[in-house]
Amino acid sequence: EAGVAQSPRYKIIEKRQSVAFWCNPISGHATLYWYQQILGQGPKLLIQFQNNGVVDDSQLPKDRFSAERLKGVDSTLKIQPAKLEDSAVYLCASSPALGDTRQYFGPGTRLTVT
Amino acid sequence: AQTVTQSQPEMSVQEAETVTLSCTYDTSESNYYLFWYKQPPSRQMILVIRQEAYKQQNATENRFSVNFQKAAKSFSLKISDSQLGDTAMYFCAFITLSGTYKYIFGTGTRLKVLA
Repeated sequence: EAGVAQSPRYKIIEKRQSVAFWCNPISGHATLYWYQQILGQGPKLLIQFQNNGVVDDSQLPKDRFSAERLKGVDSTLKIQPAKLEDSAVYLCASSPALGDTRQYFGPGTRLTVT
Repeated sequence: AQTVTQSQPEMSVQEAETVTLSCTYDTSESNYYLFWYKQPPSRQMILVIRQEAYKQQNATENRFSVNFQKAAKSFSLKISDSQLGDTAMYFCAFITLSGTYKYIFGTGTRLKVLA
């Protein structure tokens, strides 16, 4: 069984530029999560999808961050415009269903904003 | 508010020795799960062990075991016979079985196993 895939693995951009990250969850997993992990901290949930609907986006900075999961499979997370404080690892995770406590994480994308 | 506290930013242990990582949490919910995740330099989060809050018996997984004290809201991880491959960041986390099933993570403990 293939794991959660993310791309790119690394990205360096200048502040005020835009960037997009892609996540392909494990096949058949209904629930998808995006986390932000700042250096020295634990992951913080940004947004949670159940199929193609948003379950929780209370900690997503909506003035600059957006995310979609149009067909209930792949997901993209976008930042526009980026700020220095957005430098972090962005982790994607998936789960078979809402309420299933098992989460499977991807390798993450390390974003550096200069 | 739901929080997870890991009070040990860094720890080290000699190979083959035993080490215990501490974690305390706060929630008003009664039905939840607790986890320890390992994050090596590759950044891939790997589940180490899971504990269901309604189970009194402490979970074990090979060399990894937990000491779950529900009343004290404490959930420590014991690693026996430490190996060099155990070097990683370790995150304590919990998820409540209500609402949006959101994971709450601690700030992590960096463990270094010394040869």
